[in-house]
Amino acid sequence: GENVEQHPSTLSVQEGDSAVIKCTYSDSASNYFPWYKQELGKRPQLIIDIRSNVGEKKDQRIAVTLNKTAKHFSLHITETQPEDSAVYFCAASISTGRRALTFGSGTRLQVQP
Amino acid sequence: DAGITQSPRHKVTETGTPVTLRCHQTENHRYMYWYRQDPGHGLRLIHYSYGVKDTDKGEVSDGYSVSRSKTEDFLLTLESATSSQTSVYFCAISESLVGPAQHFGDGTRLSIL
Repeated sequence: GENVEQHPSTLSVQEGDSAVIKCTYSDSASNYFPWYKQELGKRPQLIIDIRSNVGEKKDQRIAVTLNKTAKHFSLHITETQPEDSAVYFCAASISTGRRALTFGSGTRLQVQP
Repeated sequence: DAGITQSPRHKVTETGTPVTLRCHQTENHRYMYWYRQDPGHGLRLIHYSYGVKDTDKGEVSDGYSVSRSKTEDFLLTLESATSSQTSVYFCAISESLVGPAQHFGDGTRLSIL
């Protein structure tokens, strides 16, 4: 089955700096890659996703890039703010059939004011 | 937020007792999932459902069973709870046509003593 590895496990940045979280996946058939943000004690919430037919997607300060050849994808947050502090999870799945997501182990991002 | 309700939100029970967690949705989504979340492991799929009475196993299904007798309800049962099943359990739902984007419930914190 699919295996998703996520790095780093923790990341501390100064407010206003950029943050990058990287994930690799093992199944070349995976074609859907969402990112979730989870604040302490809350549910994971979808913040951005990308499908394998595009290489990059942006939504305000958040962007995701995908390299299908290397089987890795990354989350980029620019101009970080204290409210960006949370745990971020990447995931991968095939968008037909079972549609189950395989998650990375998470990155705890702390933005220092 | 998607209409997903998990119950109970918190439960403490003893080893060897049966436990049932309920997920109720008001979105009429076809797919429903149960995950467990443990430190360092991200979210791991226990079981999922692709329709009424249609279920399948995920990566950590041992010791768990599920049932879906109505579109809106997905039950997770621990027949004989063990301390290793202490975890936070999340239910998720996804639509059948738009892609596998999943939306999560608020979670159930289960402690088995």
